Amino acid sequence: DTAVSQTPKYLVTQMGNDKSIKCEQNLGHDTMYWYKQDSKKFLKIMFSYNNKELIINETVPNRFSPKSPDKAHLNLHINSLELGDSAVYFCASSPPGGNTGELFFGEGSRLTVL
Amino acid sequence: DAKTTQPPSMDCAEGRAANLPCNHSTISGNEYVYWYRQIHSQGPQYIIHGLKNNETNEMASLIITEDRKSSTLILPHATLRDTAVYYCIVRVRWGSYIPTFGRGTSLIVHP
Repeated sequence: DTAVSQTPKYLVTQMGNDKSIKCEQNLGHDTMYWYKQDSKKFLKIMFSYNNKELIINETVPNRFSPKSPDKAHLNLHINSLELGDSAVYFCASSPPGGNTGELFFGEGSRLTVL
Repeated sequence: DAKTTQPPSMDCAEGRAANLPCNHSTISGNEYVYWYRQIHSQGPQYIIHGLKNNETNEMASLIITEDRKSSTLILPHATLRDTAVYYCIVRVRWGSYIPTFGRGTSLIVHP
């Protein structure tokens, strides 16, 4: 059973389009995250949600909007895609009770903007 | 969170121990040392963490110096599948802090 699953795994789209990436975790975790890994392989935090509420929003453009319908899901919607949005996006979750040291990552969603 | 310093790359022969160092000289008393690895094209994977005692699990061992300013992740019998980027992170365990990943060490295990 996949603990943290992301869909789609690959996404190729044109500049200006709007796309979404979905993430689901079946670990019973309270906190979920989105990370971006660009071509230089640097892994950067984008958002963090705890029990459906946003707790961290790093300097990410407003075109990126996370949505958490329940604590098992954290989706990432991106408007007006730009070339620089091409990257691998990783969803992660961490155990309840405020233990945010152990992250469990999904397999990533590779977004290519043409 | 305390800053960490890791060598950018290392290599190791298959079957031998891989010893990956991490320097965290500014670590504070309530900060843990965490290790993750990222195998090519996969999501990062948690390996192990510790506060001040040495730790061992089915994946690796973590040796933390007495002054806690550095640590070593040990893969006792490295295999080709251990080829990955290894990240050392120092942070408090509880709270709203978000793990921040540096450049890590690219470990290549060769036959």
